[in-house]
Amino acid sequence: DAGITQSPRHKVTETGTPVTLRCHQTENHRYMYWYRQDPGHGLRLIHYSYGVKDTDKGEVSDGYSVSRSKTEDFLLTLESATSSQTSVYFCAISVQRGYTDTQYFGPGTRLTVL
Amino acid sequence: TQLLEQSPQFLSIQEGENLTVYCNSSSVFSSLQWYRQEPGEGPVLLVTVVTGGEVKKLKRLTFQFGDARKDSSLHITAAQTGDTGLYLCAGAVAADSWGKLQFGAGTQVVVTP
Repeated sequence: DAGITQSPRHKVTETGTPVTLRCHQTENHRYMYWYRQDPGHGLRLIHYSYGVKDTDKGEVSDGYSVSRSKTEDFLLTLESATSSQTSVYFCAISVQRGYTDTQYFGPGTRLTVL
Repeated sequence: TQLLEQSPQFLSIQEGENLTVYCNSSSVFSSLQWYRQEPGEGPVLLVTVVTGGEVKKLKRLTFQFGDARKDSSLHITAAQTGDTGLYLCAGAVAADSWGKLQFGAGTQVVVTP
């Protein structure tokens, strides 16, 4: 399972409150990703990281920020949660073998914003 | 806008039947992965295909990468109830893309006894 954990696994919050989701990996992988999954959209990339303190935006980054102060932890923050951010959030790491990049996923966090 | 189009979106079949899921794009991919996801869990990698025209078999699952590396298919022979799940295809657009993948929206497969 690539040693990826996410916390919390479930969270209910109110509109306007800040929320931080944590992704932790145990195998020192360089690349980490945050996705959200919504019906009919598959997985959409929010932000990604290619090293400590090196992050960049994905296709749906508005309203989200990330931080990576240690290799093993990648944090996703919703500064002021909105109902449109109700979703299931997945963290992933990438393993490169030759010219192939393969991603392995955590178990997900179900976030509900009321 | 989805770079990868999966079809069908939903498929319901009986045990023992065969099924095929398609993943199509106008973009060329350096590699393509298929994942299966069960409720409440993260996607789990099934296979990675790299070479145009490549065919890989995983027990009753057969994966094919198109010659032009723009499309792929997943064929399941004699489906079992354990094959039920959301099947996702994902493509790597370029070798230097920081490992990023483009995902299709998924095909929900339901296999009934």
